[in-house]
Amino acid sequence: QSALTQPASVSGSPGQSITISCTGTSSDIGGYNYVSWYQQHPGKAPKLMIYDVSNRPSGVSNRFSGSKSGNTASLTISGLQTEDEADYFCSSYTSTSTVGEVLFGGGTKLTVL
Amino acid sequence: EVQLVQSGAEVKKPGESLKISCKGSGYSFTSYWIGWVRQMPGKGLEWMGIIYPGDSDTRYSPSFQGQVTISADKSISTSYLQWSSLKASDTAMYYCARRSGRIPDYWGQGTLVTVSS
Repeated sequence: QSALTQPASVSGSPGQSITISCTGTSSDIGGYNYVSWYQQHPGKAPKLMIYDVSNRPSGVSNRFSGSKSGNTASLTISGLQTEDEADYFCSSYTSTSTVGEVLFGGGTKLTVL
Repeated sequence: EVQLVQSGAEVKKPGESLKISCKGSGYSFTSYWIGWVRQMPGKGLEWMGIIYPGDSDTRYSPSFQGQVTISADKSISTSYLQWSSLKASDTAMYYCARRSGRIPDYWGQGTLVTVSS
């Protein structure tokens, strides 16, 4: 069981929007604005898509957006494209010393139908 | 372009030692922390520890303290993760990642370690 909770899978059709949730606690997501989201295609390195809850690195499409409410962060992908099909996982800084300084979600497989 | 390139897959027997590497390029290697992350088969990601190559300051997550050693050679922009005596439960994919601010931004491609008799 991963420290941050994500749905195992989500799906959508091209052009649609989907949202992936990531739930933690007040010691991580709820307590800090250090939530990030990563995209990982099979056999490839994870790629940073969102950092500090809602910021996009240079070069990442504005179809990707992030938000947070309480202990839950969300990644929204609008105008789904076939190349968006990948695994997505969230991450948060944590003050819980027993797990180190970074927590991850279990990952969500996005299928573009 | 920032890149982290990891060493190739390894197959080892229980009790053997192993050292895998992560070479950084395209940025000042000594100015960013490098973290190591484990992903066991079918499981989520776990933060193992982190090193600052500039002065080799190293911090381990409690679960990994004493189980692995993280090091860095700044002269060749490379960080290492090593085991002195592997166990079957060390079978996993291992990633290195550069930390920017509080979060990992660039990741290596991963090194698959298989420990089997």
